[in-house]
Amino acid sequence: NAGVTQTPKFRVLKTGQSMTLLCAQDMNHEYMYWYRQDPGMGLRLIHYSVGEGTTAKGEVPDGYNVSRLKKQNFLLGLESAAPSQTSVYFCASTTWREAFFGQGTRLTVV
Amino acid sequence: AQSVSQHNHHVILSEAASLELGCNYSYGGTVNLFWYVQYPGQHLQLLLKYFSGDPLVKGIKGFEAEFIKSKFSFNLRKPSVQWSDTAEYFCAVFTDKLIFGTGTRLQVFP
Repeated sequence: NAGVTQTPKFRVLKTGQSMTLLCAQDMNHEYMYWYRQDPGMGLRLIHYSVGEGTTAKGEVPDGYNVSRLKKQNFLLGLESAAPSQTSVYFCASTTWREAFFGQGTRLTVV
Repeated sequence: AQSVSQHNHHVILSEAASLELGCNYSYGGTVNLFWYVQYPGQHLQLLLKYFSGDPLVKGIKGFEAEFIKSKFSFNLRKPSVQWSDTAEYFCAVFTDKLIFGTGTRLQVFP
């Protein structure tokens, strides 16, 4: 989708390693989200932000941290990766009328 | 807390059969409702959305959905499915954040 860039696209981590996923949008949206997608479980909301400097917990926040220091960027951090965090991660940027998604990050924790 | 339920986890149909996928949400206030489709290996695409007005909304590719406020439902329908409709379908609700259902996997056989 135009306007939302998510990096990296693929990553393999060892248990206990840390990493940061970056989501960048150029549409001046207030709302940004991080989801994880697992088979049979849909997209579950990890954390979200309703504006620069704000963050809030979603449905499955444990093991993740986020920051929204700039309006256009929303970072998702894993401080100590666990195999249970193997998933596909999607970032989204929305208005109340429409959502734009990043291409996804496939993360494997071994 | 708001939630979205999709009771059909896996639906198998033959081409030309009619489709109805259920979506129920729990939230007492004003909601914006969406249906997304995810084809294998791709990201989410918007099928249709409802904000207000006519509760029967038409989307792309012949899909439509009906908002029934009294039942907190927003079911997706298509009169005649095609093999190319094979995909995963997600209902989503926006209140103060965007929440997705667990998804319905649709398989259409020729």
